Amino acid sequence: GENVEQHPSTLSVQEGDSAVIKCTYSDSASNYFPWYKQELGKRPQLIIDIRSNVGEKKDQRIAVTLNKTAKHFSLHITETQPEDSAVYFCAASKVLGTGKLIFGQGTTLQVKP
Amino acid sequence: DVKVTQSSRYLVKRTGEKVFLECVQDMDHENMFWYRQDPGLGLRLIYFSYDVKMKEKGDIPEGYSVSREKKERFSLILESASTNQTSMYLCASSSPRSGANVLTFGAGSRLTVL
Repeated sequence: GENVEQHPSTLSVQEGDSAVIKCTYSDSASNYFPWYKQELGKRPQLIIDIRSNVGEKKDQRIAVTLNKTAKHFSLHITETQPEDSAVYFCAASKVLGTGKLIFGQGTTLQVKP
Repeated sequence: DVKVTQSSRYLVKRTGEKVFLECVQDMDHENMFWYRQDPGLGLRLIYFSYDVKMKEKGDIPEGYSVSREKKERFSLILESASTNQTSMYLCASSSPRSGANVLTFGAGSRLTVL
């Protein structure tokens, strides 16, 4: 089945720096790649997603890039702020419409003021 | 606002007990999911359901079963709880009508098995 590997497991940056989290997936048929953010004690929430027909997508300070050939995708956060501190999960889905997501292991991002 | 409500935030059970974790969503979503969250392992899919009375195994179904008698309710059952099932359990729902892959999660149920 699909497997998603996420790195690094922890990431510490200074406020204002950029943060990058990388994921690789195993199933070349995967065509949907979301990122979820989970703040401490709260539920995961979707922050951005990308489909396989797009190479990059931006939303203010966050962006996601996708390399289908290499089967990896990345989350980029620019000008990090303390409120960006959270656990971030990448995920992959093979079939649009089923909602079945396979998640990576998560990255704990700490933004130091 | 989509709401996914998990009935118990914290539970403490004994080894061998039968455990029910309940999840209710109020947005008429077709798809419902149970994930287990453990540090360093991410979110692992236990079971999911596309429709009433329909269920499919996820990646780690062993030791669990589910029930979906009504569209809004998806229950996770531990027939005989074991200590290795101590974890955070997250329910989620989605709908093809509003983006099936966009999951709305519940607040989670933290289960401790002694």
